[in-house]
This record gives sequence, C-alpha cells and structure tokens, in this order.
Amino acid sequence: EVQLVETGGGLIQPGGSLRLSCAASGFTVSSNYMSWVRQAPGKGLEWVSVIYSGGSTYYADSVKGRFTISRDNSKNTLYLQMNSLRAEDTAVYYCARILGYCSGGSCYRGVLDAFDIWGQGTMVTVSS
Amino acid sequence: QSALTQPASVSGSPGQSITISCTGTSSDVGSYNLVSWYQQHPGKAPKLMIYEVSKRPSGVSNRFSGSKSGNTASLTISGLQAEDEADYYCCSYAGSSSVVFGGGTKLTVL
Repeated sequence: EVQLVETGGGLIQPGGSLRLSCAASGFTVSSNYMSWVRQAPGKGLEWVSVIYSGGSTYYADSVKGRFTISRDNSKNTLYLQMNSLRAEDTAVYYCARILGYCSGGSCYRGVLDAFDIWGQGTMVTVSS
Repeated sequence: QSALTQPASVSGSPGQSITISCTGTSSDVGSYNLVSWYQQHPGKAPKLMIYEVSKRPSGVSNRFSGSKSGNTASLTISGLQAEDEADYYCCSYAGSSSVVFGGGTKLTVL
C-alpha cells in the first residue's frame, strides 16, 4: 500500500528547532519529487518546500534560510528540519509526493504538477 | 508569491451543479496548464481531484471536472451529493520550482 506517515510534531518555544519525519511505503522517496505543505489552524494550504529526485531543494520565501528539506534513502524517509521557529509557523505539516510534469514521453525537470499522495499530517505548535 | 483567489464559500442543493473559480496571474495560472484541485474534509488530508486543469485521477468521480480560461481556472461539481461537502483548494505551478495554492472554498450542500 502506498502510504506516507509523518511524525515529530509537538509544542516548541519560539526560536526553537524541530525535525519532522515522513516515512514512505509502497514507493521510493529518492525516485520521486517530495514536498512539505502546511496548514495553519483554520487557514488554507501553503506550500513549504520540495526536494527533487536529483537532490535539488527549493523553499517558500516564508521559510527560506530557516527550514531544510532532506531525505534518507536507506530509510525511505523525508525530513523537514525547522529552525528559528516563529508563532506563525504553527500549523499541521503534511508531506506529499508531487508529480513532475511529463508530456509526450518527455519529462520536464523542475516543473511541478500535482500532489498525488499525502500523509495524515503532524501538528506543530510554536508558543511560549 | 500571492495566493490564488477563490470564493470563500459556495453552496448548492443535492443534484445541482456548482462551480468554484480560482483566479491567478499571468505568472501562474495563465502561464501553465498545471492547475490542480484538492478536496479536504474536516480533520483529513487533502485529496487530489483534478490535475493538469481537467484530468481526473483514477477513482475520482466524473462528476468532477475542471477548465481554464486565461488567468482563471474552474472546478465544476455536477449532481451534488452530501459527501461532496468539504473544502476545496486550487493549486498552480508558479515557475522557479514553486507552486501556489488558493485560499480555499467551503462547499455546503444544502
């Protein structure tokens, strides 16, 4: 069964650090584009970061320089290291597989299509 | 990157059709046929309903359809059912290895 399971959320003080994990089953993380998406309480979805199969990483401006996306191929697991946390980072964090765009037999590196597999989310609360 | 614009809420009666709009700019929706739509029930993870403007993943009802004109994409749900009551989000590729979501639309089935 294709599945993503996030862990690592919790209550953390402003300025603190937290690492989220996302264990995948049924497919290989390193062969896919993987992403983190967050949702503040009562708010909409916000894209956070993506890591390509080749290892390149990209971030939303709101987290650039503070968050780091990575993966452990041996554990088939995606991570999000979050540093210098702020109250506005409070959200449910989802990991998701994001498809790259392919057409006519060609795939266009770095062109992002749709999030087809989602985890159940893990809650991060930043508060003193 | 600013969020795409969706109506906060829409409603319809069972059996009716509704359409949710998603307005972006020439830098995202207008430039790429890479608009996707997600359904989210309370306390649940989002579910992909439409990708590449109008394509349906396997298992998604054909009551869901998508289209795009210029900088605005649309999701239409026909034959509304009680189970369709949920939040709906659009999303577009925005270039430079980024995507942008809409603010979300709450669908109420009357």
